Amino acid sequence: NAGVTQTPKFQVLKTGQSMTLQCAQDMNHEYMSWYRQDPGMGLRLIHYSVGAGITDQGEVPNGYNVSRSTTEDFPLRLLSAAPSQTSVYFCASSWSAGGTDTQYFGPGTRLTVL
Amino acid sequence: GNSVTQMEGPVTLSEEAFLTINCTYTATGYPSLFWYVQYPGEGLQLLLKATKADDKGSNKGFEATYRKETTSFHLEKGSVQVSDSAVYFCALFAPVDSNYQLIWGAGTKLIIKP
Repeated sequence: NAGVTQTPKFQVLKTGQSMTLQCAQDMNHEYMSWYRQDPGMGLRLIHYSVGAGITDQGEVPNGYNVSRSTTEDFPLRLLSAAPSQTSVYFCASSWSAGGTDTQYFGPGTRLTVL
Repeated sequence: GNSVTQMEGPVTLSEEAFLTINCTYTATGYPSLFWYVQYPGEGLQLLLKATKADDKGSNKGFEATYRKETTSFHLEKGSVQVSDSAVYFCALFAPVDSNYQLIWGAGTKLIIKP
């Protein structure tokens, strides 16, 4: 049972490049989400999904796209990278979006945009 | 709107000292409250939670009590160890624009010196 896995662990992009951050979970969780973590700001929700084929925007969705074609995978796409997107990105999953469910986090992807 | 405020860090203590990390919140209704911990180089993991007023969450020697009258959920530990060095996040789960989302504090870095 690998839990939540994320790839890559580190990435450096140039402004304007695109890339996809991968996230997968093997716990059959319905709810998955992407956060970015910036110093002094805690976690901010980018996008989330309550099941395969269903996605919605979080607090800071601009510049990012997501899709959820399977229960297991929830990739995050940066369409045209900007320096403001330099951050640490975490994927998380839980059984549902219910209030008491434990969120399981991946190890994170540290992204630098030059 | 809903928000979480944590004491600023870093908090530096000697081993075996008593720990308190303050967390206060603003929310409508009756949110669920959480403490997550992030060890260096890792993703976040649930430390403890409380889902209703006067509940006490506990795990690994840490405790926090859901105080509705003071809108607080302070984290305490009687005797800290070097291995407790990490970043601690307080969070609440409450409706935001009819969607239920975790609202995160900015995190408090804890440094324990031997």
